[in-house]
Amino acid sequence: GAVVSQHPSRVICKSGTSVKIECRSLDFQATTMFWYRQFPKQSLMLMATSNEGSKATYEQGVEKDKFLINHASLTLSTLTVTSAHPEDSSFYICSANSEGYNSPLHFGNGTRLTVT
Amino acid sequence: AQSVAQPEDQVNVAEGNPLTVKCTYSVSGNPYLFWYVQYPNRGLQFLLKYITGDNLVKGSYGFEAEFNKSQTSFHLKKPSALVSDSALYFCAVRDRGQGGKLIFGQGTELSVKP
Repeated sequence: GAVVSQHPSRVICKSGTSVKIECRSLDFQATTMFWYRQFPKQSLMLMATSNEGSKATYEQGVEKDKFLINHASLTLSTLTVTSAHPEDSSFYICSANSEGYNSPLHFGNGTRLTVT
Repeated sequence: AQSVAQPEDQVNVAEGNPLTVKCTYSVSGNPYLFWYVQYPNRGLQFLLKYITGDNLVKGSYGFEAEFNKSQTSFHLKKPSALVSDSALYFCAVRDRGQGGKLIFGQGTELSVKP
């Protein structure tokens, strides 16, 4: 089946530094990838829709200059948390679309970001 | 706007008993509905979907869900719960008008006790 690989699984960084998270579709091409954020025992909040070769579409309230998304190829999207602060600590999950809208999205295993 | 609601934050069942995790939806047009399961510190695993056709949908790990258009519900069920079913369950609707993003319910934590 379709596999999405997300890296790193866990990262600890100091306040003010930037962190890059990678999301790769391993056995399919994904023109669209989605980035979600999840707080403990809460639902997934969509941050942005990443489109290959074009600018990402951000959800209302998500700072595009803080959460930089790049989707340079059909198998890779990256999320960079710039100038991270403790409140950015969260679980970030990417997902990718392998087929049409009647197919499930495939999810990475998530990245646990802790900003100290 | 498309939305789904999971009215229960937590569901507790004894192993071997049937389980139901509730989901209701609000969409314009025909809904594309999904159930996912999440284990601690992991991504989401797809369980099943309803697109069209038979209202009873069978999925992975013995789960099934019943689509009820008149009640706008898509409840997840399993005839006999296992301790290993304990996890966080999400109902979701695919928003075909906005790039196909998934809109999730609040999640329901299922706890199955031996």
